[in-house]
Amino acid sequence: DVKVTQSSRYLVKRTGEKVFLECVQDMDHENMFWYRQDPGLGLRLIYFSYDVKMKEKGDIPEGYSVSREKKERFSLILESASTNQTSMYLCASSPGQSGNTIYFGEGSWLTVV
Amino acid sequence: AQTVTQSQPEMSVQEAETVTLSCTYDTSENNYYLFWYKQPPSRQMILVIRQEAYKQQNATENRFSVNFQKAAKSFSLKISDSQLGDTAMYFCAFSNDYKLSFGAGTTVTVRA
Repeated sequence: DVKVTQSSRYLVKRTGEKVFLECVQDMDHENMFWYRQDPGLGLRLIYFSYDVKMKEKGDIPEGYSVSREKKERFSLILESASTNQTSMYLCASSPGQSGNTIYFGEGSWLTVV
Repeated sequence: AQTVTQSQPEMSVQEAETVTLSCTYDTSENNYYLFWYKQPPSRQMILVIRQEAYKQQNATENRFSVNFQKAAKSFSLKISDSQLGDTAMYFCAFSNDYKLSFGAGTTVTVRA
């Protein structure tokens, strides 16, 4: 089975802190994604990566950055957390071909106070 | 991003009955993929069913089936013989490359 592991399920951070959300996949997938989930808005793509050290902005990249130094690991970084970044963050991965199923992690609940 | 619309925020169904969730999308592409994902209270997103736009035959997976109307840009999900374990949020999603665009979701509650 595909396993996408998010290291932290629940985090509470203070405004202005730098926050790292880590994600690891064990299926040698080329593509990795970070989504944000908010009630009534569904899932919105923050960033995705199609190869090591490669990244592209999604629909809502402002306030976020990402890092992919190894194929299996994709990190989401909040340089200076703000209260409007309180949300559920979902990491996902998929094989390289278009239209392939995307596999999700269990999500990380981030609260910024 | 492509637009995916789920017009039903919540639905309730009696156990063993059938419920249909609606989804419409907007695209000018001819080749694309459509998905339904399930997110139970545990929050783990699980693929329910996948449809390739160039295939006219509607996809089915056990009790789950879709009605894909390409001209109408409609992709509804039917859950037959609903079970308590089907209680979850269901998301419709569209892809014409590597990425998925999601609808806002429909919360389905199955009543005993």
